[in-house]
Amino acid sequence: GAVVSQHPSWVICKSGTSVKIECRSLDFQATTMFWYRQFPKQSLMLMATSNEGSKATYEQGVEKDKFLINHASLTLSTLTVTSAHPEDSSFYICSARFQGLNTEAFFGQGTRLTVV
Amino acid sequence: AQRVTQPEKLLSVFKGAPVELKCNYSYSGSPELFWYVQYSRQRLQLLLRHISRESIKGFTADLNKGETSFHLKKPFAQEEDSAMYYCALSGPGNTPLVFGKGTRLSVIA
Repeated sequence: GAVVSQHPSWVICKSGTSVKIECRSLDFQATTMFWYRQFPKQSLMLMATSNEGSKATYEQGVEKDKFLINHASLTLSTLTVTSAHPEDSSFYICSARFQGLNTEAFFGQGTRLTVV
Repeated sequence: AQRVTQPEKLLSVFKGAPVELKCNYSYSGSPELFWYVQYSRQRLQLLLRHISRESIKGFTADLNKGETSFHLKKPFAQEEDSAMYYCALSGPGNTPLVFGKGTRLSVIA
């Protein structure tokens, strides 16, 4: 099956610094990728839809200036957590779907961010 | 509004017993319904989707539009079925999935 890869798998950063998370579709082109956030023992919450070559679409309540999304190519989307705070500590997961109808979504392995 | 409800956070069954993980949804239109599974320390992976009407690892799920449900069933649970199960829906095309809160299935030997 198709593979979506995230990097890094885990990262620890100091409060006030920025962290970039990469999401790559390894064997297919993804014009759209999705970023989710998962708190411990909770479900995945959609943060934003990343569109190649255009601005991301953010869900209500998600600060676009804090969570910067760039989708510069058909195989790479990045999520940058700016001026990170401890409450940003979470598990971030990206996803991509094939174009067309009734297609499954493929998920990255996730990135665990810890802000200290 | 799109919503997926999984009423059980945790479901424990004995090995060999039948399993039913409940999922109800709210969507105006014709959604695509999926079940995803997450084994310990692994990424989310597709288990099955309503459009394909297939059985994977002995699991089946039937879309009931009247009851807006998509319950996941397996006649005989195995220990390796222990995992986190998420029901999800999406609209047509390249749209994001909306997930339920998930149900942790624990199969006891």
